[in-house]
Amino acid sequence: KAGVTQTPRYLIKTRGQQVTLSCSPISGHRSVSWYQQTPGQGLQFLFEYFSETQRNKGNFPGRFSGRQFSNSRSEMNVSTLELGDSALYLCASRLVTGGEKLFFGSGTQLSVL
Amino acid sequence: QKEVEQNSGPLSVPEGAIASLNCTYSDRGSQSFFWYRQYSGKSPELIMFIYSNGDKEDGRFTAQLNKASQYVSLLIRDSQPSDSATYLCAVTGTASKLTFGTGTRLQVTL
Repeated sequence: KAGVTQTPRYLIKTRGQQVTLSCSPISGHRSVSWYQQTPGQGLQFLFEYFSETQRNKGNFPGRFSGRQFSNSRSEMNVSTLELGDSALYLCASRLVTGGEKLFFGSGTQLSVL
Repeated sequence: QKEVEQNSGPLSVPEGAIASLNCTYSDRGSQSFFWYRQYSGKSPELIMFIYSNGDKEDGRFTAQLNKASQYVSLLIRDSQPSDSATYLCAVTGTASKLTFGTGTRLQVTL
């Protein structure tokens, strides 16, 4: 069974640009969550999608948005990039929302110059 | 108060010793508790989960949960250098959101 797949693996952007990250969950998993990880803040929850609906949202500005498609694949968009957005963005999937185990992809390392 | 708190470490233990990692959480309605291991430059990997009070053992790992005291711990017996990593505690709260602690860095020395 294939794991969670994230693309691209690395990304370099400049301030003010926008970026879209992609995530394909484990087959059969309907919930996709996004996290931002930085050395100082650890893993910060961005949002979770289930059946194309956002179920939970973390404390990030509106520049961070996401969506989920009918095949459970998800995209995350960050507009008007800032230097502080440089981080590892991790996608994770689980069967449904709730207590089920969460499985992570390899992440997208975003560098904003 | 942070939702999930861990000592950042580093926690240094000699090879063969028991490593004890602790985590406290603030949401009394939390139902599910997880331990993830993250090697440098890699993504988190689930190693243990526990839903009920008490102990749960899996090989060299034991997860302990005490809901009354709102803490969960991870014991690693016979620690090996390959156990050196950051260990993340994660808790599913009443809103079904999974919240992570900032992690404890474990160093197993030869």
